[in-house]
Amino acid sequence: AIRMTQSPSSFSASTGDRVTITCRASQGISSYLAWYQQKPGKAPKLLIYAASTLQSGVPSRFSGSGSGTDFTLTISCLQSEDFATYYCQQYYSYLLTFGGGTKVEIK
Amino acid sequence: EVQLVESGGGLVQPGGSLRLSCAASGFTFSSYAMSWVRQAPGKGLEWVSAISGSGGSTYYADSVKGRFTISRDNSKNTLYLQMNSLRAEDTAVYYCAKDLDVLAAAGTHFDYWGQGTLVTVSS
Repeated sequence: AIRMTQSPSSFSASTGDRVTITCRASQGISSYLAWYQQKPGKAPKLLIYAASTLQSGVPSRFSGSGSGTDFTLTISCLQSEDFATYYCQQYYSYLLTFGGGTKVEIK
Repeated sequence: EVQLVESGGGLVQPGGSLRLSCAASGFTFSSYAMSWVRQAPGKGLEWVSAISGSGGSTYYADSVKGRFTISRDNSKNTLYLQMNSLRAEDTAVYYCAKDLDVLAAAGTHFDYWGQGTLVTVSS
């Protein structure tokens, strides 16, 4: 199975900060990558797919980039509602895999 | 409005069985692949299984292959997960999730999720 590694696993940031989360695949996955946001007790929410396509209704402060093995999720100006855990997920293989998650906490 | 409502979770002993259901509404159910994704308490997301829109193709994570069976009844707009030989490590919230891409042959990425149903495997 393709292994997805996210970094960092957690960090603290302040409202207004620009933050970047990294996701690395154990083999090339082209652009078959999605990003999700999850808040405690809630189901995940799709933010980005195809590495850089913003899902309908998602604020434009979220952006994604990368292809092959290295990907990033950027939040240009962190808002209070963005404190959550973020997951990447590959769908290059029929055996889907998620990264371990990155928790964004309030500084 | 798309809705996915899971049911069937609960407490089961190791080695036991459970069947989860996911009732779907608000979209053409048979046109979309569906998946089950689980999350152990305090842990990350783990994809479990996927099924094509027709039900003709199914896919499983290695951790559940041979023990779990995914199926769907397109006449009832319902997705199922039959879980046998349950283990303590199967304890998790189980989500059903709808694929974003219409007519995808397998699970890809998910635009709608249910609220989840908790499965606890313990003696």
